[in-house]
Amino acid sequence: AQTVTQSQPEMSVQEAETVTLSCTYDTSESDYYLFWYKQPPSRQMILVIRQEAYKQQNATENRFSVNFQKAAKSFSLKISDSQLGDAAMYFCAYRSAPGNQFYFGTGTSLTVIP
Amino acid sequence: GAGVSQTPSNKVTEKGKYVELRCDPISGHTALYWYRQSLGQGPEFLIYFQGTGAADDSGLPNDRFFAVRPEGSVSTLKIQRTERGDSAVYLCASSLVGGEGYTFGSGTRLTVV
Repeated sequence: AQTVTQSQPEMSVQEAETVTLSCTYDTSESDYYLFWYKQPPSRQMILVIRQEAYKQQNATENRFSVNFQKAAKSFSLKISDSQLGDAAMYFCAYRSAPGNQFYFGTGTSLTVIP
Repeated sequence: GAGVSQTPSNKVTEKGKYVELRCDPISGHTALYWYRQSLGQGPEFLIYFQGTGAADDSGLPNDRFFAVRPEGSVSTLKIQRTERGDSAVYLCASSLVGGEGYTFGSGTRLTVV
């Protein structure tokens, strides 16, 4: 089975600064997707960014970007110009291609300091 | 609807009781998923429906848990003889075929006392 590991239970960042959240995963599959989800207190999982394993180029969505290292099975999330609204739990997730279920890490709680 | 709707938002029940949790997916989404998120953990897969049938129920922890989707839209997760260890947030998600548009609801927080 696939496993996803987030080794940082908590992180904090000053407003307007940059923070990087770490994620590693274990799989024997060659084709898959990786995701970062944000979960605010409302509990809804909100997609932040997605990466297809076959793409070498790192995904970017506005202030959010990833560093995808396929050989190292590493998938970190960089948040630039951090805003107060970025404070939330962040989950790294894996999904096979094709596949229907997500495998999630244990999450990183991000605090943004004004 | 515009999003995935889950009711109730919160449910408190006594140990040994039966509960039903409802999920109303996005209109047109044929795939529906249930996950369980225990305190301090990420969501864990329970079951996946494609249309009316359960295509993968490998995540259901035991036979006290059952889910249905009789008309291919609304789904109900049913838990019999609840135990304190069943306390968690139960998340539902829906998507188009192939996982496109995968959208989560806000979950039901179940507390068994």
